[in-house]
Amino acid sequence: QVHLVESGGGLVKPGGSLRLSCAASGFTFSDYYMTWVRQAPGKGLEWISYISGTSSYINYADSVKGRVSISRDNSKKSVFLQMNSLRAEDTAVYFCARLHSSSWIDYWGQGSLVTVSS
Amino acid sequence: QSVLTQPPSASGTPGQRVTISCSGSNSNVGQNPVNWYQQLPGTAPKLLIYNNDERPSGVPDRFSGSKSGTSASLAISGLQSDDEADYYCAAWHDSLNGPVFGGGTKLTVL
Repeated sequence: QVHLVESGGGLVKPGGSLRLSCAASGFTFSDYYMTWVRQAPGKGLEWISYISGTSSYINYADSVKGRVSISRDNSKKSVFLQMNSLRAEDTAVYFCARLHSSSWIDYWGQGSLVTVSS
Repeated sequence: QSVLTQPPSASGTPGQRVTISCSGSNSNVGQNPVNWYQQLPGTAPKLLIYNNDERPSGVPDRFSGSKSGTSASLAISGLQSDDEADYYCAAWHDSLNGPVFGGGTKLTVL
């Protein structure tokens, strides 16, 4: 059974940094692209970034490019999202998710809340 | 402003059939499969339909998807109170090289 568990969220001041982690289980982790999607309070879903199984291919949404870095550790079956220069508009629940066939999201974690506020 | 366009709300009574539309462009829906997600209050999204019209195991056949050109639809038949949720469409966007989502449709079961 596929299981994704995010951690690392919390309250951070504007301009601060935060690193989210996502621990995966129940599938061959290195075979899959992994992605992060966020949802601001009361808003819709927004794709942030994805990383290929071997970390050879990475892409970011324009809204976070230059401020966010995605990485993974296949030995630990984990994917990470380093977020810098955080702004109030980055306040959201951040979901870790698995990309099937490098095309659609088939499994989601429960989410980790990031609040950017002074 | 979401890349894909959905109506903000939809409603129906128990047993009815409702449809939710999703409109995109030739850069996303027109060229790539559409997927639908159900998000119950306070929970993570769950895959409902993938590849335009396929259901993951465990999803009831009351849920069906279709696509024509740059538009797609999700149909829910035999509406139940448990279906009350937010529904999102998604598709790969070629020039962005990533997935894009609709703004979500809040389904109310009257």
